[in-house]
Amino acid sequence: SQQGEEDPQALSIQEGENATMNCSYKTSINNLQWYRQNSGRGLVHLILIRSNEREKHSGRLRVTLDTSKKSSSLLITASRAADTASYFCATDALLENNDMRFGAGTRLTVKP
Amino acid sequence: NAGVTQTPKFQVLKTGQSMTLQCAQDMNHEYMSWYRQDPGMGLRLIHYSVGAGITDQGEVPNGYNVSRSTTEDFPLRLLSAAPSQTSVYFCASSPGGQWTLHFGNGTRLTVT
Repeated sequence: SQQGEEDPQALSIQEGENATMNCSYKTSINNLQWYRQNSGRGLVHLILIRSNEREKHSGRLRVTLDTSKKSSSLLITASRAADTASYFCATDALLENNDMRFGAGTRLTVKP
Repeated sequence: NAGVTQTPKFQVLKTGQSMTLQCAQDMNHEYMSWYRQDPGMGLRLIHYSVGAGITDQGEVPNGYNVSRSTTEDFPLRLLSAAPSQTSVYFCASSPGGQWTLHFGNGTRLTVT
């Protein structure tokens, strides 16, 4: 079964606006990661946040993690048309280090 | 540096045929894995390997075999293709321990 579930399933915004995507998961984790997938391509790693971290930044990306609520959010600031892609969260369960589980993803469309 | 290379990019099989999806990485990664991606389902782990000579089952292993005779290669074999195996297949690798996955560009398989 899927570990992570992203919300919303689809998001459409104008260029320059911020985009927020959420991920909820079911079991205790070691790390949570966000990946991006452009149409027809493989996934590309964006950012990793460890279970003892609460917030992490990378360029225009900001990720938060709330282990008490088993949830994470990805914020993309000042979005660009090139940010149009699907975004996935992935978790590795605390006692199952070799099993990376992905959610179904959020499809982000940024209109120019 | 090619990263993770998957071949073929596209494949059409008839029900009952067998085939091997190839995956090679040139980053000397110990960990390799196969996922399938279906619409609305995210990525589901089929099989993974933590090093040469070691393989293990993921979430959806039935109908697939793997082997890991070298660090570089991790082929996925479909023994008797079924329409339910129509999907996009992704191979990924990781140095291990960090769990940041590097993905290939996928193989789109259609079983008729």
